[in-house]
Amino acid sequence: GDSVTQMEGPVTLSEEAFLTINCTYTATGYPSLFWYVQYPGEGLQLLLKATKADDKGSNKGFEATYRKETTSFHLEKGSVQVSDSAVYFCAPPFWGGGNKLTFGTGTQLKVEL
Amino acid sequence: NAGVTQTPKFQVLKTGQSMTLQCAQDMNHNSMYWYRQDPGMGLRLIYYSASEGTTDKGEVPDGYNVSRLKKQNFLLGLESAAPSQTSVYFCASSYEASGFNEQFFGPGTRLTVL
Repeated sequence: GDSVTQMEGPVTLSEEAFLTINCTYTATGYPSLFWYVQYPGEGLQLLLKATKADDKGSNKGFEATYRKETTSFHLEKGSVQVSDSAVYFCAPPFWGGGNKLTFGTGTQLKVEL
Repeated sequence: NAGVTQTPKFQVLKTGQSMTLQCAQDMNHNSMYWYRQDPGMGLRLIYYSASEGTTDKGEVPDGYNVSRLKKQNFLLGLESAAPSQTSVYFCASSYEASGFNEQFFGPGTRLTVL
């Protein structure tokens, strides 16, 4: 069956550093993935979608690139800001039925000046 | 357009008490979800509703019940609260329950069971 493994945090970076958060997704069907972000005290909100067909999703400077050799969609940003401090979740599409797999465990990012 | 709203925002219960968490969405979405978020555990699905009048168990349904009598509302009930149910509860909705559909989340309810 499908499985998702997300990089454990917390991750602490200096402002303007490069960010990579790993998420490995083993899909029995068509591989695609959501990345959600949760800012302190708030609910989750969609950051970007990524599908194999497009190979890369992007939003607000973040990108998720599908890497076929590792069946993974890693979240990357070239230059993080303090305002990017949040928890990031990867999640495969929800198919319901027998597939209760929803969200990865989340990776906390802290960006310092 | 308020999106997904949850009430209450905070709640403290004593062991054995009952309560209902309320969730409403104004996006005419067919599907709704209840999650709990615990430190180090990410989000875990409690129950979901693919459409009005239907519900199905998620990963951690024990100790909870749900009701989806109206399309815009999804209620989560705790019949006899236990300290293990101390958590932050999130409601979400999406256009459909399957496929590549974004879920929209409410702000959460922080529940403490003493």
